Amino acid sequence: EAGVAQSPRYKIIEKRQSVAFWCNPISGHATLYWYQQILGQGPKLLIQFQNNGVVDDSQLPKDRFSAERLKGVDSTLKIQPAKLEDSAVYLCASSGEDSLLTFGSGTRLTVV
Amino acid sequence: EDQVTQSPEALRLQEGESSSLNCSYTVSGLRGLFWYRQDPGKGPEFLFTLYSAGEEKEKERLKATLTKKESFLHITAPKPEDSATYLCAVQAKVFGQGTRLTINP
Repeated sequence: EAGVAQSPRYKIIEKRQSVAFWCNPISGHATLYWYQQILGQGPKLLIQFQNNGVVDDSQLPKDRFSAERLKGVDSTLKIQPAKLEDSAVYLCASSGEDSLLTFGSGTRLTVV
Repeated sequence: EDQVTQSPEALRLQEGESSSLNCSYTVSGLRGLFWYRQDPGKGPEFLFTLYSAGEEKEKERLKATLTKKESFLHITAPKPEDSATYLCAVQAKVFGQGTRLTINP
């Protein structure tokens, strides 16, 4: 079974620039999550999709972050404009009915 | 609001020295307590799910237990390859800050 695919693996941008991350979940997984993990901390949920509908985006900074899940499969997370404090690893995960999360390797974002 | 607190933040053990990691949680209606292992540069990897107080699960040198307020991850006779950050989560999506475990040979 293929895992959760994320790209790019690394990204360095200047503050105020925009950036986008892509995620392809495990085939058949209806639920997709985006997390932000700052160095030394646990993952923080940004947004949860069930198929292509948003279930939870309560911690998503909506003034600068946006996400979409087209056709209930792939997802894209965008930051515009980026701030220094957005430097983190952005993890995508998917789950089936058992709520067991399978994570991708993440995208490490550095904002300079 | 669902909350998870893990302790200690970091733990250094000698190979073979058993210990326990703690995960305290506050949640309205537990729908699962999850343990994950995270290696540097990788995403978390699933270890266990516990659903009710008194439940226990084991995998190799790891055993997870659950009470109404906390969960423990017991590690017996650890090896250097058990070095990682161990994360717990409730409701599948609220994570603690993790315990960074280092096993010295």
